[in-house]
Amino acid sequence: EAQVTQNPRYLITVTGKKLTVTCSQNMNHEYMSWYRQDPGLGLRQIYYSMNVEVTDKGDVPEGYKVSRKEKRNFPLILESPSPNQTSLYFCASSQPGTISGAEAFFGQGTRLTVV
Amino acid sequence: DAKTTQPPSMDCAEGRAANLPCNHSTISGNEYVYWYRQIHSQGPQYIIHGLKNNETNEMASLIITEDRKSSTLILPHATLRDTAVYYCIVRAMNTGFQKLVFGTGTRLLVSP
Repeated sequence: EAQVTQNPRYLITVTGKKLTVTCSQNMNHEYMSWYRQDPGLGLRQIYYSMNVEVTDKGDVPEGYKVSRKEKRNFPLILESPSPNQTSLYFCASSQPGTISGAEAFFGQGTRLTVV
Repeated sequence: DAKTTQPPSMDCAEGRAANLPCNHSTISGNEYVYWYRQIHSQGPQYIIHGLKNNETNEMASLIITEDRKSSTLILPHATLRDTAVYYCIVRAMNTGFQKLVFGTGTRLLVSP
């Protein structure tokens, strides 16, 4: 089954404690992205990756890091989380250059609370 | 990417057709219309997309006006599980990177 898997689904952490949210896709997609969703602000892109070792900033990259060492994995790293990073996070993947590239697959989300 | 306008909310009775409109008056010739939905904080789910012809799949139908300035997503027999926020997105195919810009969408409530 084609899917994007995020872990953990829920996380409560304290300010300043480094954390990683993992994302893995099984569709051999080239494109992967991270979004955050906040009430009244909708979905905003944090970082994206066009292929292995190719990443770039989205609209709200401050406070986040990513890496793309393998095609299937795209972890989101918060080196020193702060309360304003409390949010619902989604990972997405898609394949460019084809009609099917219209279909972005999203993970089930990670609800992060930073206290 | 062209901007879209959707009503903030709509209601529909279970079993009836849900018709969700979207205005995209500034759409350009190479831009497609996509629809996604998000069910209660789950990850957004792709529904359908089209360029200028009407499209149908197992989930929905997409009707695009001849001038392409507006479109309608049709759920032919809405069920309670179709209650969700529906997003209309307009963007060009094969753009430099895969970024979807979600607006505020239409919150569809399907009632028994």
